[in-house]
Amino acid sequence: QSALTQPASVSGSPGQSITISCTGTSSDVGGYKYVSWYQQHPGKAPKLMISDVSNRPSGVSNRFSGSKSGNTASLTISGLQTEDEADYYCNSYTSSGTVVFGGGTKLTVL
Amino acid sequence: QVQLVESGGGVVQPGRSLRLSCAASGFTFSNNGMHWVRQAPGKGLEWVAVIWYDGSNEHYADSVKGRFTISRDNSRNTLYLQLNSLRVEDTAVYYCARDRELSTGCIDYWGQGTLVTVSS
Repeated sequence: QSALTQPASVSGSPGQSITISCTGTSSDVGGYKYVSWYQQHPGKAPKLMISDVSNRPSGVSNRFSGSKSGNTASLTISGLQTEDEADYYCNSYTSSGTVVFGGGTKLTVL
Repeated sequence: QVQLVESGGGVVQPGRSLRLSCAASGFTFSNNGMHWVRQAPGKGLEWVAVIWYDGSNEHYADSVKGRFTISRDNSRNTLYLQLNSLRVEDTAVYYCARDRELSTGCIDYWGQGTLVTVSS
């Protein structure tokens, strides 16, 4: 059960776009559509931003989008806003019936 | 609206036990799989365990297998996590979380968390 691999940090200026990667294996990210992304602000519970690789739950801004290629999923945030500054986590269902999270990525909006 | 309220956290000595509870409301509890996810201070999210909607199946992270037990009482709309043989490295905020379906890993609602501190 190794954690999915995410960059520790990314940064961007307001209005720019950034992409966060999430790399796993064929037993998790590459094998299933059940890849999700979560946003977490300090001291708060995580919030679901993307489900099933690329679906946006109701109420989530269309500036957030997801994709997947092989064993790597990606979260793209366009038109960066200061309130997007947060930690972002991916997770995936696995072939063992368990769930695995990425190590998390700290997004800084400069 | 969906609400998940955890309780039972606290300070406990290494080797001792603790039971966490999560009271669910605002949805039909028996329709969804439920998870526990933890976050050590200053660290990332770590998935702990999942239980199917009817309690018929459970899965655990390797780090807690054999020590923690997830269970649910659908008549009481309550999720539990029994933590035995606690270690210092189990110190974390423990979140109760709802799976969008049976057990996809897609978590659409989270509680606010309960802090477990394991210290002598």
